Amino acid sequence: DAMVIQNPRYQVTQFGKPVTLSCSQTLNHNVMYWYQQKSSQAPKLLFHYYDKDFNNEADTPDNFQSRRPNTSFCFLDIRSPGLGDAAMYLCATRWTNNNEQFFGPGTRLTVL
Amino acid sequence: AQSVTQLGSHVSVSEGALVLLRCNYSSSVPPYLFWYVQYPNQGLQLLLKYTTGATLVKGINGFEAEFKKSETSFHLTKPSAHMSDAAEYFCAVKHSGAGSYQLTFGKGTKLSVIP
Repeated sequence: DAMVIQNPRYQVTQFGKPVTLSCSQTLNHNVMYWYQQKSSQAPKLLFHYYDKDFNNEADTPDNFQSRRPNTSFCFLDIRSPGLGDAAMYLCATRWTNNNEQFFGPGTRLTVL
Repeated sequence: AQSVTQLGSHVSVSEGALVLLRCNYSSSVPPYLFWYVQYPNQGLQLLLKYTTGATLVKGINGFEAEFKKSETSFHLTKPSAHMSDAAEYFCAVKHSGAGSYQLTFGKGTKLSVIP
């Protein structure tokens, strides 16, 4: 089945230790999104790619970076995780002419 | 700027009772509106969406929502709650941003179903 896959599902890192979360998709969608969702809060958009074009939200901390080496894969890099970065990170994809975003299952990040 | 308000962070209903989750939006353009459901430790799944046309929209799992422009509302309903409906529900509005369209989500409503 076509889908959005996120690995790992659970990630534990130490304060200040870089971590990378990955997202892959078999939908061949050209738009990919990264959201941060803290406990009992709405998902908050961090950035998105429209094809290869990277779009950063104005309030996304510099600590967060992203890479999209090809259509299928997108990575979220957190350079120096703080305790406040503990959250669920959601990846979503969309095809240009479709209004629906398809979400992956998320990666829950714990920072010790 | 678009925004979404979900009234009630937590709603409890008895199994078999009506489910009503409220969503009001503000939008400077005709809105595209969405309801997503999120089960614990999972991603979001689209329940239904309104873009244009019929204002009563039917979705999966027996849910429906009605777009009321005069009330700027898009409330989610289900005639008879099932235990499996216990989850968190997010209303969202589409808006255009740099690069591509984006969703602005409400803060979510957690639905509990009492046996």
